[in-house]
Amino acid sequence: KAGVTQTPRYLIKTRGQQVTLSCSPISGHRSVSWYQQTPGQGLQFLFEYFSETQRNKGNFPGRFSGRQFSNSRSEMNVSTLELGDSALYLCASRQGQSTDTQYFGPGTRLTVL
Amino acid sequence: QKEVEQDPGPLSVPEGAIVSLNCTYSNSAFQYFMWYRQYSRKGPELLMYTYSSGNKEDGRFTAQVDKSSKYISLFIRDSQPSDSATYLCATRIQGAQKLVFGQGTRLTINP
Repeated sequence: KAGVTQTPRYLIKTRGQQVTLSCSPISGHRSVSWYQQTPGQGLQFLFEYFSETQRNKGNFPGRFSGRQFSNSRSEMNVSTLELGDSALYLCASRQGQSTDTQYFGPGTRLTVL
Repeated sequence: QKEVEQDPGPLSVPEGAIVSLNCTYSNSAFQYFMWYRQYSRKGPELLMYTYSSGNKEDGRFTAQVDKSSKYISLFIRDSQPSDSATYLCATRIQGAQKLVFGQGTRLTINP
């Protein structure tokens, strides 16, 4: 079974731009979570989607948003990029809401210049 | 103060040594505890998962949770160079899907 895939793997943007990252979960998985990983803050929860609905949200500004499609694929969007948004963005999928095991993708490395 | 504290290291040990990695947490509501391994340029990979207090063993890996002292440990026996990675502890409360991670400990096993 194919793992979680994320595209693109690397991205360079400039301040003020916006970016969209994509995540395809493991086949059959309906829950997708997004995390931001930085050297200073570590891994921080952004949000989780299940059946196209946002179920949980972390403490990030409204510039960070996401959505999930009917095929469980998810996108996250960051508008008005800031230098501090440079990070590895990780997507994780799980089979259902009550299933604990989250499987992470390789991440998208975003660099904001 | 972070909800989960983990010494970022780096930690360097010789091959074959027993490695001990630790985290402490502050929220007594945390019920589920996990250890993830992350190789460079890869996403975290689930190593161990435990519920509440106790021990769990899987091959060379043993996870321990002591809820009374809010302490989580991962032991690696007969460490191998391929174990060189960043190890992240994570936890969550019952009913919540958000994982709270420690900072991660960078481990190097020297041949």
